[in-house]
Formats: sequence, C-alpha cells, structure tokens
Amino acid sequence: EIVLTQSPGTLSLSPGERATLSCRASQSVSSNYLAWYQQKPGQAPRLLIYGASSRATGIADRISGSGSGTDFTLTINRLEPEDFAVYYCQQYGRSPLTFGGGTKVEIK
Amino acid sequence: EVQLLESGGGLVQPGGSLRLSCAAAGFTFSDYGMSWVRQAPGKGLEWVSGISGNGGSTFSGDSVEGRFIISRDNFKNTLYLRLNSLRPEDTAVYYCAKGASFSGANCNDYWGQGTLVTVSS
Repeated sequence: EIVLTQSPGTLSLSPGERATLSCRASQSVSSNYLAWYQQKPGQAPRLLIYGASSRATGIADRISGSGSGTDFTLTINRLEPEDFAVYYCQQYGRSPLTFGGGTKVEIK
Repeated sequence: EVQLLESGGGLVQPGGSLRLSCAAAGFTFSDYGMSWVRQAPGKGLEWVSGISGNGGSTFSGDSVEGRFIISRDNFKNTLYLRLNSLRPEDTAVYYCAKGASFSGANCNDYWGQGTLVTVSS
C-alpha cells in the first residue's frame, strides 16, 4: 500500500501567517489523485483539495494545493481563526486508499 | 442539500458482529460511489471500504479485508457495513462518506457525523 508521511506533525503559527504542510508518498500517486481534508474537534472531515490542486466547492482561494508524483503541499495564506485544525492528505489513486497521519495547525 | 445519517453503532463484545447503516439524501445515490472511513479515539483517519455507484465493485483496507463487508441498496438510498469478528482495535467512530464520482475508490466530498463502535468485554 502507499504510505503517506505528513510533516510537520504540529505547526504553531499566528493568525495572518502562512501555513505550509507537506505530504510525501512512498510511491508515485497515480494521476495525482491526492486530496486534502480539514478536521476540527468533534466534527467530520471536510474536503479542501482534490486532484492535488483543485479546490472543492466553497473553499477559499487562499487555500491551495500543489505537487505531483510523490511530493505534495497544502498552503494556507493569511491564516484565519477557523483554519486552526488538523489536516490530512489522502491518496485515492490505488487501493487500498490511504491517509497521512495528519498535521495539526495550532495557534502560537 | 446532501445529508448522510449513520446508525447502528454501539457496544459489542470481541468476536461479535454489527451492521452499520447510512441513509443518504439530497443527491442521486446510484450515481456516486460511497465509502466508510473510521477514526479510533484520538487517532487519525483510516479508510475502511468503498463501493461503486451500482455496487458492482468493492474495495477494502488490509486491516478489515475478509471481516467487513460493504454493500448498498440503491432503492432505499442506503449504504451498509457489516462488521464481523470484531476486535478491540476496531473501536472507532465510523464515518459514511459520499464519493466524488461513480467509482468506489475516490475522494469524499460529503461526510456524515459518524457512529461510534466500541468493542470491549
């Protein structure tokens, strides 16, 4: 199975700063089928990015995804209070689908 | 508005069985693949199983292969997950999620609120 490694484990930032989250795959992700989700405590995950760089419906344009092959990045510009959460990447190009371990973005 | 409502969770003894259901509304159910994703207490997300829009293709994670069975009833707009031979490590919140396309192996654009399964004696 494809193993996804997210880094850093925790990111401590202030509102208004930029967050850069990394997701590295153990093998090339087919057709860049890489998604990013946001999860807040007690809530279900929310799809942010699919196909490595396409924003899901209703997602602000200060959130962007990039990358290809084995290295992917989620960037959140001008952090807002609602952005402090845990973020997961997921590859859906090959079964079994797999998630990364998550990156927590916390208020510094 | 897409709505996904899970039910069927609860406390079960090791070795026992359970059936989870997910009632869907607000979209053409048979046009979309569906998935189950779980999250153990305080842990990350784990994809469990997926099924195509017509139920013709199913996929499962290695940790549940042969024990959990995903199915769907497109007349009732309902997704199911049969959990057999349950282990304590299966304790988790189980989320039902709508796929972004017909395929059963896809990202998920809508999620239910989850149902808790606890495996303990």
